[in-house]
Amino acid sequence: QKEVEQNSGPLSVPEGAIASLNCTYSDRVSQSFFWYRQYSGKSPELIMSIYSNGDKEDGRFTAQLNKASQYVSLLIRDSQPSDSATYLCAGQTGANNLFFGTGTRLTVIP
Amino acid sequence: GAVVSQHPSRVICKSGTSVKIECRSLDFQATTMFWYRQFPKQSLMLMATSNEGSKATYEQGVEKDKFLINHASLTLSTLTVTSAHPEDSSFYICSANRLEMGAQYFGPGTRLTVL
Repeated sequence: QKEVEQNSGPLSVPEGAIASLNCTYSDRVSQSFFWYRQYSGKSPELIMSIYSNGDKEDGRFTAQLNKASQYVSLLIRDSQPSDSATYLCAGQTGANNLFFGTGTRLTVIP
Repeated sequence: GAVVSQHPSRVICKSGTSVKIECRSLDFQATTMFWYRQFPKQSLMLMATSNEGSKATYEQGVEKDKFLINHASLTLSTLTVTSAHPEDSSFYICSANRLEMGAQYFGPGTRLTVL
C-alpha cells in the first residue's frame, strides 16, 4: 500500500457547488495531514493542515480527519472557477517527511 | 506567512553541464529542507532531505553523486545537478519545515531543461 492514496479524479463541479476530495493513508503517515493546492506550472501552496480527529474549517474549506478509518478529506464550499487546480493530500511521518498522494484535478465549471 | 524562495526559476543548459539551484527560507530558520522533483502530470517525488550541518538523506533510487545537496546554513540549501542529461529535465521544488507552524512550505520551483 502506498503511504497516501488519493482518488485521482478528475473531478468537475459546477460553480457554487461543493467539491469533495478524499485520501486514505497508511500507518506510516499518522502524524499530521495537509492539503496543498497546485496550479499548473506552479509549486504547491498549503491551504489546510489537520492533526486531530474531526473537522477543521477555514473559510470555504473544511478538512476532515478520521484516524480510525485512516481517511482525510477536503470539502470546498461555494466552489469558484479560481479553485480549479490539482489538490494534493499529504501525510507526515514522525521524521517530518511528507508523502503525497497523486493529486486530484478539480475543474469548477462557470 | 512563511516564504521560501528558489533561484533560478528557470534554467536551460547543455547536456553534461552542472546546474546549481538555491533554496532559501526568508523569514524563518529551517534545520530541515526537502528537495522534490515533479515530472509533467505526475505527483511530487521526494528526492532527499537536507539537514543543516550534516549529510543529506537520499531517497531510494536517487543518486547522491549526481544530485549534490549542501545545507550550509539555517536558511540556505543548494541542489547541484551534476553532468545533467535530458532525462534530468524536470520541475525541481524545495520545501522547508517551519516547526512552529507544523507544516512544510514550498519554494516556487525551478524548471530545468537540459538540451
